[in-house]
Amino acid sequence: AQSVTQLDSQVPVFEEAPVELRCNYSSSVSVYLFWYVQYPNQGLQLLLKYLSGSTLVESINGFEAEFNKSQTSFHLRKPSVHISDTAEYFCAVSDQGGYNKLIFGAGTRLAVHP
Amino acid sequence: EPEVTQTPSHQVTQMGQEVILRCVPISNHLYFYWYRQILGQKVEFLVSFYNNEISEKSEIFDDQFSVERPDGSNFTLKIRSTKLEDSAMYFCASGPGLAVGELFFGEGSRLTVL
Repeated sequence: AQSVTQLDSQVPVFEEAPVELRCNYSSSVSVYLFWYVQYPNQGLQLLLKYLSGSTLVESINGFEAEFNKSQTSFHLRKPSVHISDTAEYFCAVSDQGGYNKLIFGAGTRLAVHP
Repeated sequence: EPEVTQTPSHQVTQMGQEVILRCVPISNHLYFYWYRQILGQKVEFLVSFYNNEISEKSEIFDDQFSVERPDGSNFTLKIRSTKLEDSAMYFCASGPGLAVGELFFGEGSRLTVL
C-alpha cells in the first residue's frame, strides 16, 4: 500500500519569496506522482505530474517538482510566489499497476502575504 | 475544455435520510471515482468504477454506500442512511485510461448531515 506524507501543514511566505512544499511517499511498487492544487471553494486541479522520463517536471505557472527515487520525495518548488498562489496543495501517488487510485497527503496550506 | 460536473453543490439532510450525489464525468473517460474530504482533513479514496462495476473500494465504502452509472453519462453515489460523520465534501473524478495517471476532479458536493 502507498502512503504520502506532507511534512508542513501550513507554509506562510511573503510575495516574491521562494517556497518549497515537501512531500515524501512510501510504496513497494513503482508509482506515479502528482501535485494537485485546491483554491478556496473549488475542486482539485492538477498542477503537475511525474509519470516517467525526466525527474524534473514543471507547471505552466512556474512551479516545479523533482522526483527523487532514493529519497522517495517529490518536493514542490517555486522561485517567486504570487498572492494568487495562496491555496491548499496536495501531493498524491498512484501505483502504476492499479486503477489510477490516488492516495493523497494531508495537504499544505500555502499562504502568500504582501 | 471538458470538465467533470457535480450536483448538488451543497446538500443538507437529516441523519438517517438517503442522499444521492450526482456526477457527469468527461464523456470519453472510462474510469470513475468518488473521494471525500472531511473538513480540515485529507482527501480520501472511496471507490473506483470501471466497465460498469466497482474495481476497488476503501474500508470507508461500507454497505451504506453504493455507486451506479445508470444511463451511460451520470455517475452517482448513494448513501442509504446518512450519519453525522458522513458530513464532508464529496469529489467525483474521472480518468481516460490506465497508464495515463491523471484524474480530473469535479468541484465537489458538500454534504451536511444534521
